[in-house]
Amino acid sequence: DAGITQSPRHKVTETGTPVTLRCHQTENHRYMYWYRQDPGHGLRLIHYSYGVKDTDKGEVSDGYSVSRSKTEDFLLTLESATSSQTSVYFCAISESRTSGVNEQFFGPGTRLTVL
Amino acid sequence: AQSVTQLDSHVSVSEGTPVLLRCNYSSSYSPSLFWYVQHPNKGLQLLLKYTSAATLVKGINGFEAEFKKSETSFHLTKPSAHMSDAAEYFCVVSDDSGTYKYIFGTGTRLKVLA
Repeated sequence: DAGITQSPRHKVTETGTPVTLRCHQTENHRYMYWYRQDPGHGLRLIHYSYGVKDTDKGEVSDGYSVSRSKTEDFLLTLESATSSQTSVYFCAISESRTSGVNEQFFGPGTRLTVL
Repeated sequence: AQSVTQLDSHVSVSEGTPVLLRCNYSSSYSPSLFWYVQHPNKGLQLLLKYTSAATLVKGINGFEAEFKKSETSFHLTKPSAHMSDAAEYFCVVSDDSGTYKYIFGTGTRLKVLA
């Protein structure tokens, strides 16, 4: 299994509070991604990173920010959590595409509940 | 822009019978395609990937998929379902236009009946 961990694995918080989720990899992969998974929607991309301090928005980025100060860590922050952000969050990594098709490897997920 | 459509949200099969999970894609470029499996309360695991080297791709646990450009399809099959195959399956296309993104289908939940 690829070395990807997410913390915390479960979190319950209240509306309006800030929340930070952490993704840590030991594979030295260049690309890192944050997704949210909701019933009927599959996985939707929130933000991704293509290098240290290089990030871009995905399709559902409103209300989320990210930071990547080191290759191994990718942080997702909900500045002011809302109930609509209750979801399961997955981190993924992939290697450079110069060598062709590259799959993503996924972390175990973080279940976030916003009350 | 790339997109992927999984034609069935739920599929039920009896144990020992064939499995067919359908996926159609839309891509302006030569696509890279993947199938992932997610067991309940677990992360996603790669089943197989299309690398353009061969149109019939074999994956883990007896699954395979065939890339058909003329039909823009990448259907997942298995000759004989096992109870342990019950899970959710996602078809994914990568954006090879330079954005490093992957686009997910909405998933197909496979139920295997004893």
